[in-house]
Amino acid sequence: AQSVTQPDIHITVSEGASLELRCNYSYGATPYLFWYVQSPGQGLQLLLKYFSGDTLVQGIKGFEAEFKRSQSSFNLRKPSVHWSDAAEYFCAVGAINNNDMRFGAGTRLTVKP
Amino acid sequence: NAGVTQTPKFQVLKTGQSMTLQCAQDMNHEYMSWYRQDPGMGLRLIHYSVGAGITDQGEVPNGYNVSRSTTEDFPLRLLSAAPSQTSVYFCASRGENSGKRAFFGQGTRLTVV
Repeated sequence: AQSVTQPDIHITVSEGASLELRCNYSYGATPYLFWYVQSPGQGLQLLLKYFSGDTLVQGIKGFEAEFKRSQSSFNLRKPSVHWSDAAEYFCAVGAINNNDMRFGAGTRLTVKP
Repeated sequence: NAGVTQTPKFQVLKTGQSMTLQCAQDMNHEYMSWYRQDPGMGLRLIHYSVGAGITDQGEVPNGYNVSRSTTEDFPLRLLSAAPSQTSVYFCASRGENSGKRAFFGQGTRLTVV
């Protein structure tokens, strides 16, 4: 089965600084890849997804992610972080041949004023 | 636009009690799933269903039962609650009409004492 690793448990950035959240996946074929965001006490909201085609995908709230097959990575980026981006971010991988979706442990983002 | 509705939002159980967490979706999605979210573990799949009458186990199924008698509903039953089942539970649904994007409920915070 597929699996996901998010190496960073907690990241702190200053407002206006750039952000990169790391995600590595394990899956034998081309995966479906997702980034979700969870604000405190809330459910999960989809930021963006990759299925095929252009390896740089744009999402909501100014986020983007790049699929790099050679590195088995799908890192999330934002050029300039806003205080409202403080939340927990989850990378997830789905597979073509099963209905499973596996999540990483999450990265908590703190934004300093 | 109800989406995915989970009830209750909060629940406290005594060890050994049973209860059912409710999940309903109004998007005609084929696939529904239950996750538990624990600190440092991300979301782990408990059970899932690919359609009415069909259920299967995920990563952490022990202590939980599910059924899928209709497309809309996917209840999760705790047979005999244990403190290890203290967690936040999320129900999700997705379908071909959602491009495999998962929609999440707001979560149920369960405490077993």
